[in-house]
This record gives sequence, C-alpha cells and structure tokens, in this order.
Amino acid sequence: DVQMTQSPSTLSASVGDRVTIACRASQSINTWLAWYQQKPGKAPKLLIYQASSLESGVPSRFSGSESGTEFTLTISSLQPDDFATYYCQQYNNYPFTFGPGTKVEIK
Amino acid sequence: QVQLQESGPGLVKPSETLSLTCTVSGGSISSHYWTWIRQPPGKGLEWIGWIFSTGTTNYNPSLKSRVTMSVDTSKNQFSLKLGSVTAADTAVYYCARGVPSYGGNSFDRWGQGTLLTVSS
Repeated sequence: DVQMTQSPSTLSASVGDRVTIACRASQSINTWLAWYQQKPGKAPKLLIYQASSLESGVPSRFSGSESGTEFTLTISSLQPDDFATYYCQQYNNYPFTFGPGTKVEIK
Repeated sequence: QVQLQESGPGLVKPSETLSLTCTVSGGSISSHYWTWIRQPPGKGLEWIGWIFSTGTTNYNPSLKSRVTMSVDTSKNQFSLKLGSVTAADTAVYYCARGVPSYGGNSFDRWGQGTLLTVSS
C-alpha cells in the first residue's frame, strides 16, 4: 500500500495567517492526490483534486501544489470557518489511502 | 444536487454481518464509482471499496475476504455487507461518490455518515 504521511499533526494559527500543510507519499503517485476538510461530526469535504485543481465552490484561499512525492495544501488567509482537520488522499494506486490528518486549531 | 444517505442498524453483535445501504438522490447512480469509507472513532479514514453501476467492484485487500458490495439501479441504492465483524470494525461508515479520472477516484459527494458499533 502507498503510505501517506502529513505534517504537522497539529497546527495552531490565528485568523489571517498563511497556513501550509504537507503530505508525502511513500512512492510516486503522479498528481493523483486530493485534499479534504473535516469538521467534528461531519463528513469530509473535497477541497482539491489532482494535486492542484480547486473543487467547485471552494474558496480561492485554498490551493494545492506538488513537487515529486511532496504535496502541499496552503490556506492563504485563515478564516474562522477553516478550523478543522485536513486529510490528503492518494488515488494513483489501489487501495486508495489517506494521510493521518492535520488538525488546525485556534492559537 | 446529488445527495447520499446511509442507513443501517447502528449496533451489530460480534461475528455477525454488518449491512448498510446508501440511497442516492438528485442524480443517477448509473455512472461514477460508488464508494464506502470508514472512520473509527477519533481516527483516520479507510477506503473500503467501490462498486460501479454495472456491478463491477474493487475492494481493499485488507477487507476483501469479508466485504460484499451490491447495487440496485432501480432504487438508486448501493449496499455494503461486512462479515465476521469484531470490535475493530466499530466506526462511522460513509458512502461517497467517486469521481472518474485517468487515475482512481477522489470523492466529491459524501453521506452524513452512520456510526456502527460492534458489541454484544
């Protein structure tokens, strides 16, 4: 299985901060990577697919990038609604696998 | 707007078979990869597998021996059966819509999730 790691596991930030979350794959996954946001008691929500494509309806402050097996989710200016847990997911190889998550907390 | 809704028993005894159904509304089930994903309490996400409208399936090898998925296009529903359950199968189970791509699937629509507890 492709192992996905994320860093940091927890991030404390303030409204207006620029936030970066990293995701690394254990092997090449091309650009088949998605990012999700999950709030407590809710289902995940797709933010980014194919590493850098913004899902329809998602604010433009969210962006994704990739460099080899390293992927990054950036929130350009953190908003109150953005405090949540973020997961990456690879869909280049079966079984599809998720990272362990990064929790973004209020500083 | 496509919506998904899981339904199931909530509580299953050890060694029994878990059965869940996902009803798709607002769109046809006759495309996309209809997927089950689970999340143990306080933990991360695990892909269980998908079924296409034709009945073709793809399961996570870690669960493959215990998983069966089916689809009923006349009812716009798809289902999951997981046999020989143990406490380790206690989780929130989500159904989701997998988006076709040249790779595999990202998931653009999700049900609200249903907590399934395995306990005697």
